[in-house]
Amino acid sequence: DAKTTQPNSMESNEEEPVHLPCNHSTISGTDYIHWYRQLPSQGPEYVIHGLTSNVNNRMASLAIAEDRKSSTLILHRATLRDAAVYYCIPPVQGAQKLVFGQGTRLTINP
Amino acid sequence: GAGVSQSPSNKVTEKGKDVELRCDPISGHTALYWYRQSLGQGLEFLIYFQGNSAPDKSGLPSDRFSAERTGGSVSTLTIQRTQQEDSAVYLCASREGGGPGAKNIQYFGAGTRLSVL
Repeated sequence: DAKTTQPNSMESNEEEPVHLPCNHSTISGTDYIHWYRQLPSQGPEYVIHGLTSNVNNRMASLAIAEDRKSSTLILHRATLRDAAVYYCIPPVQGAQKLVFGQGTRLTINP
Repeated sequence: GAGVSQSPSNKVTEKGKDVELRCDPISGHTALYWYRQSLGQGLEFLIYFQGNSAPDKSGLPSDRFSAERTGGSVSTLTIQRTQQEDSAVYLCASREGGGPGAKNIQYFGAGTRLSVL
């Protein structure tokens, strides 16, 4: 199964873009990468997922490296409400569970 | 629409007692998952139900833990003879489809915080 590596923490300022990196060097060619986030005192929530090309939705953008060994979650204009732990989720072959690592704790300064 | 609902939101129990935690998934979602989140272990998978298939119990930490899903909807996680190390937030999630595929979009409830004294 693919493994992911993320920085433990990051800090940014309100209304600035945030780039959250994830390394997944062991990912296979057909594996999707999913991103979830967990706000304080809440359950995780889905953010975005992608395979090869960059993806955009109302919450964020996902930039996937050409070799697919890394990806970057982009929050274009961070707000205080974006302060959360962000998880880059590796695929698990033959299983449907989500495997959560330690994630990146994002702090947003006003 | 209504999201995943869990009850109770908080549960305090004494060591050795049994507890039941309830999860109401999003209507129509065929897949249901239980996870737990504790300070020392992070978020870990417990069990997965998909339709009428046998559940994936590979994450249950001991035989004191069991879960059932009645009528393909509501699920109950039961912990027998609770221990202090069972203290954690128990999270339930549901997913529209459960088979292999690209989208593993799970919708989580707010969790039940279990404290074993």
